[in-house]
Amino acid sequence: NAGVTQTPKFRILKIGQSMTLQCAQDMNHNYMYWYRQDPGMGLKLIYYSVGAGITDKGEVPNGYNVSRSTTEDFPLRLELAAPSQTSVYFCASSYPRTSGGLSSYNEQFFGPGTRLTVL
Amino acid sequence: EDKVVQSPLSLVVHEGDTVTLNCSYEVTNFRSLLWYKQEKKAPTFLFMLTSSGIEKKSGRLSSILDKKELFSILNITATQTGDSAIYLCAVSNSGGSNYKLTFGKGTLLTVNP
Repeated sequence: NAGVTQTPKFRILKIGQSMTLQCAQDMNHNYMYWYRQDPGMGLKLIYYSVGAGITDKGEVPNGYNVSRSTTEDFPLRLELAAPSQTSVYFCASSYPRTSGGLSSYNEQFFGPGTRLTVL
Repeated sequence: EDKVVQSPLSLVVHEGDTVTLNCSYEVTNFRSLLWYKQEKKAPTFLFMLTSSGIEKKSGRLSSILDKKELFSILNITATQTGDSAIYLCAVSNSGGSNYKLTFGKGTLLTVNP
C-alpha cells in the first residue's frame, strides 16, 4: 500500500491564483482530513469527510473548499490564494475501530505534506 | 471548545538524558489521547491512551494518562539524536465528532550529541 499520498510537494502561488491540493489513500479508510500547520502552531483542522459525498468544516475552513466524490480521493481547493494561506498542508485518513459493537477512535495516518507559499 | 496544552514548547538535552513531555487537556466527553512524533515530514503515530494509569511502552518511549487530573506525559529515556523531533499531543471526544482530533502546539525536542 502507498498509504496517504499528496501532490504537489511544493508550490508557489501568486496572490489571487487558484489551485487544488491532491490527496489520495489506498487503505479504504472512510475518514479523511485536511490540516494546515504553521510554525509553532500545531495542526489546525480545515475540513474533514466521513465518507464519499459527506464533508464538513473544521476549525479554519475560510478560503478553502473540498469535495469527496470517491472513498480514495479528497482534494482541497484554494480559490483566491492569500499570503495568510502560506503553510504546510497535511492530509490524513483513519477508520473507526469497532469493539463490543461500539465504534471507537483509531489513529490517523498522515501524508507527506504540501508546502505552499503565497507571494 | 476542546483544548490541548503542551509543555514545554521546546527542550534541549544531551544524549543519554531522560525527558518528560507534558500534555494537559480540556475536552467534553473525552475519548482518547494520542501522541505523534514529527520529524521533517508527516506526523507518525506513537501511542493512543484511553484508560487512566495504564502505561503504554515502546522501547525507550512510554506514556501514561491521568483522566482525573486531565493530563498525559511522554517519557523518553536514554535519549538519542534521532529522538530530535516535534512531539504532538492530540485528543478526541466521544461526541458526534469523535473522529476529529484537537492538537496541541507541540514540543520541539532537540537532542545534542
